[in-house]
Amino acid sequence: QSALTQPPSASGSPGQSVTISCTGSSSDVGGYNYVSWYQQHPGKAPKLMIYEVSKRPSGVPDRFSGSKSGNTASLTVSGLQAEDEADYYCSSYAGSNNLGVFGGGTELTVL
Amino acid sequence: EVQLVQSGAEVKKPGESLKISCKGSGYTFTTYWIGWVRQMPGKGLEWMGIIYPGDSNTRYSPSFQGQVTISADKSISTAYLQWSSLKASDTAMYYCARRSTATRPVDSWGQGTLVTVSS
Repeated sequence: QSALTQPPSASGSPGQSVTISCTGSSSDVGGYNYVSWYQQHPGKAPKLMIYEVSKRPSGVPDRFSGSKSGNTASLTVSGLQAEDEADYYCSSYAGSNNLGVFGGGTELTVL
Repeated sequence: EVQLVQSGAEVKKPGESLKISCKGSGYTFTTYWIGWVRQMPGKGLEWMGIIYPGDSNTRYSPSFQGQVTISADKSISTAYLQWSSLKASDTAMYYCARRSTATRPVDSWGQGTLVTVSS
């Protein structure tokens, strides 16, 4: 199972919005509404930010939102803050015979 | 509070064996899958395998099948990842991760165990 495709980097100024894409195939992203997004600060464990394409766990700011169109999912961070600077990974369910697949990660820089 | 607490960093030589652990607390250990995720230096996340402690049902990613062994001791709420013969390419951070079903996200992560393999 190939990794999902994410841009290696993204950036935005404080207060702006930035969108990170995650492209897979009809076998994963396009086939199911089970896309998740994780935030990872340097030296820390990942943290769940979005699940089932667009749902936010309790405690995650509503500045974080998710969507999907076809084989591509997206994470949008609105009103960028310095603390949003981190790596972001998408993940998708890929069928019952697969453990799931991650994207390669996107390093978000707040300018 | 749900917690996954992993064993400490390890420095090993090529060819040595190793077993690292992940202890769950704050929930019913036997009703959630525990998976292991590798993160090589400067790289992304990869699923290695996953175990259901309730019945020890274990599944491996094809890339890791035969390379590692995942186990669990439900009596002490602990999952394990082990190698019989380490290679330098096993140098990485290893995270344990909890999820309820295959379609659900990982909702809790261990703090990570850094494994360094060097002669």
